[in-house]
Amino acid sequence: GIQVEQSPPDLILQEGANSTLRCNFSDSVNNLQWFHQNPWGQLINLFYIPSGTKQNGRLSATTVATERYSLLYISSSQTTDSGVYFCAVEPGDSNYQLIWGAGTKLIIKP
Amino acid sequence: EPEVTQTPSHQVTQMGQEVILRCVPISNHLYFYWYRQILGQKVEFLVSFYNNEISEKSEIFDDQFSVERPDGSNFTLKIRSTKLEDSAMYFCASGTETYEQYFGPGTRLTVT
Repeated sequence: GIQVEQSPPDLILQEGANSTLRCNFSDSVNNLQWFHQNPWGQLINLFYIPSGTKQNGRLSATTVATERYSLLYISSSQTTDSGVYFCAVEPGDSNYQLIWGAGTKLIIKP
Repeated sequence: EPEVTQTPSHQVTQMGQEVILRCVPISNHLYFYWYRQILGQKVEFLVSFYNNEISEKSEIFDDQFSVERPDGSNFTLKIRSTKLEDSAMYFCASGTETYEQYFGPGTRLTVT
């Protein structure tokens, strides 16, 4: 089945820094989504981005489907950005499930 | 903005008991999903549901699990006889033909 790999696994930054999180996937996808899991365990939907580039405030994402990777950019980090960021993909041969990466744990220090 | 809701937020049950986790998907969505996340691990797909039947299920979704859409708004996950290893966060999601999935806040299930 499709493999989803996220890097780095852990990232510690000072408030105000910028960061880039990467998601590689091994096969074609119908869907790619980025999520932020907050300290209470809730999954916050950041981007639905099977291809192209999107921006939402300090966050932006780019997916290059032909090269099978996606990047999540966080600019001017705030302590509230801390948490785990997950990439999840829906394989091209499946309409019905998201396959998840292991996540990047981000800690923003004040 | 419409959102997926789940109840209860936290459920504690004894091993061997049946539990029902409830979800109210976004009203015009047609695809429904359950996922689970064991503490500290990645999120895992359990089952998808469309047109009143299961579309796809994972190996985790064995005979002790079942799903139901008992009315026009609710979507439930039943675990017949809970085991210690069923302790996890359970997420419900709903979606449309565009593939994007919208997630609820989760139910934390603790089996003692």
